[in-house]
Amino acid sequence: AQTVTQSQPEMSVQEAETVTLSCTYDTSESDYYLFWYKQPPSRQMILVIRQEAYKQQNATENRFSVNFQKAAKSFSLKISDSQLGDAAMYFCAYRSNGGAQKLVFGQGTRLTINP
Amino acid sequence: EPEVTQTPSHQVTQMGQEVILRCVPISNHLYFYWYRQILGQKVEFLVSFYNNEISEKSEIFDDQFSVERPDGSNFTLKIRSTKLEDSAMYFCASSEYGTGELFFGEGSRLTVL
Repeated sequence: AQTVTQSQPEMSVQEAETVTLSCTYDTSESDYYLFWYKQPPSRQMILVIRQEAYKQQNATENRFSVNFQKAAKSFSLKISDSQLGDAAMYFCAYRSNGGAQKLVFGQGTRLTINP
Repeated sequence: EPEVTQTPSHQVTQMGQEVILRCVPISNHLYFYWYRQILGQKVEFLVSFYNNEISEKSEIFDDQFSVERPDGSNFTLKIRSTKLEDSAMYFCASSEYGTGELFFGEGSRLTVL
């Protein structure tokens, strides 16, 4: 079975600085998807960024980018120019290719932005 | 912007009681899901639903759980006889197609006393 591990329960960063959230996963599959979800306080989880395992190029969405290291099974999220609205719980998630959308989540990292 | 809505936001119930959690997925979505998160633990997959039937379920989703799409808009999760360990936040999600982006609701917090 696949597992996802986020080793940082909490992180904090100064506004406008850059922060990196770590995620590692374990799988025997070669084709899969990885995601970062953001959950602001009392709000729903929203998709921040996704990465297909077959793509070597790291995904980027505006200030959010990932460092996908397939061999190391590592998938970190970098947030550049941090803003107060980035404060949230961030979840890393894994999904096998094909089949139902059964996401396997990490424990989450609570990100605090200091003004 | 369309979103997934869930009711109630918080429900307190006595052990052994039946609970129904309701979700209204995004209107053109065809795939529906329930996840749950016990306090302090990971978000866990419970069940996926497509074409009026369960397409996949986890080992958590035992005979005490059932899902239904009773009227073409609502998607419900029923827990027949709640246990203390069912206390959790339950998230509904939907997607337009099987590999599409999941859109989550805000969650329903269930407290079993």
